Amino acid sequence: DIVMTQSPDSLAVSLGERATINCKSSQSVLYSSDNKNYFAWYQQKPGQPPKLLIYWASTRESGVPDRFSGSGSGTDFTLTISSLQAEDVAVYYCQQYYSSPITFGQGTRLEIK
Amino acid sequence: EVQLLESGGDLVQPGGSLRLSCVASGFTFSSYAMSWVRQAPGKGLEWVSAISSSGGSTYYADSVKGRFTISRDNSRNTLYLQMNSLRVEDTAVYSCAKDRGGSYSTGFDHWGQGTLVTVSS
Repeated sequence: DIVMTQSPDSLAVSLGERATINCKSSQSVLYSSDNKNYFAWYQQKPGQPPKLLIYWASTRESGVPDRFSGSGSGTDFTLTISSLQAEDVAVYYCQQYYSSPITFGQGTRLEIK
Repeated sequence: EVQLLESGGDLVQPGGSLRLSCVASGFTFSSYAMSWVRQAPGKGLEWVSAISSSGGSTYYADSVKGRFTISRDNSRNTLYLQMNSLRVEDTAVYSCAKDRGGSYSTGFDHWGQGTLVTVSS
């Protein structure tokens, strides 16, 4: 199984500042035949189901604000929120869909400082 | 508008069975792969099972393989999860999730609110 490890476990950032969350996979999720990273980021607010933010490691889902961006390839990935807003308080999860079983990171709790 | 509505969650004793359902609307159900994902109280996300758009391919987490069966009825726009030999550690909110594509998985773009399964004596 591919193990996804996020860092940090929790993060406090001031409003308007940049927030960065990292995710490392135990093996590459880059599929050589199509040169795509089979990797996604989700946001989960309290009492709500997860929301897809980013897929293919860097493609923003429709309707997601452009302050959210994803980067990385192979085994190391980053979610960046360029200017933190109050509504961004949530738990963020990374996910690989390169192989079965699909696996998620343990989550990173993002709070306002 | 895409909607996913789960039902069937309940309190059940260890060793018991449950069948979860997820009724989909707002999209062409038969064109998309679907998954079940669970979340134990206060914990993270755990993928449980996936099924291709036609139902011809199924996938399971090791923790449920041989005990759970995923299926779908495209004529009824409904996804199912038959859960047998339930264990205390299966206690969680079970959500169905719509995949972006039709085969295995390319990310889950819509999720239901979930149904609570509690396994306890």
